[in-house]
Amino acid sequence: NAGVTQTPKFQVLKTGQSMTLQCAQDMNHEYMSWYRQDPGMGLRLIHYSVGAGITDQGEVPNGYNVSRSTTEDFPLRLLSAAPSQTSVYFCASTTAGGNTDTQYFGPGTRLTVL
Amino acid sequence: QKEVEQDPGPLSVPEGAIVSLNCTYSNSAFQYFMWYRQYSRKGPELLMYTYSSGNKEDGRFTAQVDKSSKYISLFIRDSQPSDSATYLCAMSDWAGNQFYFGTGTSLTVIP
Repeated sequence: NAGVTQTPKFQVLKTGQSMTLQCAQDMNHEYMSWYRQDPGMGLRLIHYSVGAGITDQGEVPNGYNVSRSTTEDFPLRLLSAAPSQTSVYFCASTTAGGNTDTQYFGPGTRLTVL
Repeated sequence: QKEVEQDPGPLSVPEGAIVSLNCTYSNSAFQYFMWYRQYSRKGPELLMYTYSSGNKEDGRFTAQVDKSSKYISLFIRDSQPSDSATYLCAMSDWAGNQFYFGTGTSLTVIP
């Protein structure tokens, strides 16, 4: 049981490049989410999904796209990277109705946009 | 104004001390309250979770919620060097789909 895995661990992009951050969980959790963590800002929710085929926006969705074709995977796409997207990105998962159960976080992806 | 306010610290205490960490919030719709611990370069892990006013204990940790004041606290008794981490409070409404985190308080427990 690997829990929540994220790839890559580190990434450097140039402004305007696109990339996909991968997130997978093997706990059969319905709820998955993406956060970014910046100094002095805490964790902020980007997008979340309550099940395959269902996604919704969080607090800071601009510049990011998500899709959920399977229960296990929830990739985050940066369409045209900007320096303001330099951050640490965390994926998390839990059973549906996330506030009633433990939310498991992945190890994070450290992204730098030059 | 941010939904959740948390003093970033840093907080430095001697081993064995009682630590008090606090968050305030402005949204009266928040009903679920959580405390996470995050070690350096790791993802957060859930420490405590509660949905009612009052106290909840788990070993050396006590979570306290005062909904009338929109104030939550985490107390750590007999603090240990292994408690050195950043502590994040988090909240959500009844639906539990969107979580709002504090900025985190950095704690160092000195042996």
